[in-house]
Formats: sequence, C-alpha cells, structure tokens
Amino acid sequence: ETGVTQTPRHLVMGMTNKKSLKCEQHLGHNAMYWYKQSAKKPLELMFVYNFKEQTENNSVPSRFSPECPNSSHLFLHLHTLQPEDSALYLCASSPPDSGANVLTFGAGSRLTVL
Amino acid sequence: GQSLEQPSEVTAVEGAIVQINCTYQTSGFYGLSWYQQHDGGAPTFLSYNALDGLEETGRFSSFLSRSDSYGYLLLQELQMKDSASYFCAVRAAGGSYIPTFGRGTSLIVHP
Repeated sequence: ETGVTQTPRHLVMGMTNKKSLKCEQHLGHNAMYWYKQSAKKPLELMFVYNFKEQTENNSVPSRFSPECPNSSHLFLHLHTLQPEDSALYLCASSPPDSGANVLTFGAGSRLTVL
Repeated sequence: GQSLEQPSEVTAVEGAIVQINCTYQTSGFYGLSWYQQHDGGAPTFLSYNALDGLEETGRFSSFLSRSDSYGYLLLQELQMKDSASYFCAVRAAGGSYIPTFGRGTSLIVHP
C-alpha cells in the first residue's frame, strides 16, 4: 500500500456506459493527478488539482470529467468512451513541501472499453 | 514540448551492476526523477536530482548532467526483485513543472 488508494482496480465497460474511478489519499498531500498509462507509451498527464482547484487539463477529451471535492479525494467520471481509452489510469498525489518532485502513485484502475 | 529517451529494455544477471540512461529535451529544466514499477503495481519514487552529480540511496544511485541533458540510474548488486520497469521523469518550466515521463525501461534480471 502506497497511501493512495484507487477503486475499482479493474473495470470493463461498454461505450455507452457511465462509470467513475475513485482515488483517495490521507497523506496530507495538497496536489492530486490523473495519468493515463498505455502499453509502450509514456505516462500521459491528464489533470492536476492543487488544493481542490484544477490547475492542468492536458487537452483531455470531454468524455473524461474530473472532480476533486477536497484535497483527499479525486474522481474521474467516464462516459461514452472509445476502445482506445482502454488503459491503466493512475492517480498520484504530492505534498506541499517537495512539490511535484516526489509523486506517490496508487496501483491504478485497469479500464477496458468494449 | 518536452521529450525523454530511455532504452526500452535492459537485461542483466544477479549481482551485476546496470545503468539505465535517460536523455531529455526541455525548456527551463528543474529536476529529474526516477520511478520503479513492478507488473501490476504502482510506480514508486526512487530518486530526484536537481543539481549535477551523483545521489546515492542504498543500492541505487542517480546521476545528472544538466549541461548534457542527461541522467542515469545505477543499480548495484542486482537482485531478482529488481526486475521491473524504470521511468525517468523531468520537471521543467516548459511543462508547468508537472513531471513528464519517459516510456520506461524494462529491466530483466536473470539468475
């Protein structure tokens, strides 16, 4: 356990479904991130939240909708996804003192879109 | 934009020393990090370099040369459990100081 918990660990959904990924940390970190990890590709930054405010949206399609109700929780709402969205979605957090020098990642949510 | 290059795969035997290189292109370099990820697991932080030179943490060391836009991760006394993917990540002004990751290097340690 890293201190960052992601649920569900595995998710299979159809292109017309709506689902959500959840990320939770109680490390006292102020920043939270969503990254997408596809085979043979670098981790792709999707969104960054700092003290609940979105500070980065890396040109992510609107079918991915993030929500950060507080500094400990981060959601990624999914709707009308495409098969190419199948990937491992990683949540990370970082503390206020070291900033983004050190990210703590969750184990990821493995998403399969049929 | 930013880009990082690292080898896709490295193989070595137990007890050996292996070096994983990372070259980067970025504007406003701030720091270089290394992460380890086992299959099915979370990436975990290994080391961070902001200044030139070598940082040592147990069996792992990380080196940075800002003038060469180059760094490496050195793993000594390799163990089977070191088989994993290793990612370098750069923080830079050009990327709003958010870590940008390389494609990762798969390290395979043989007995």
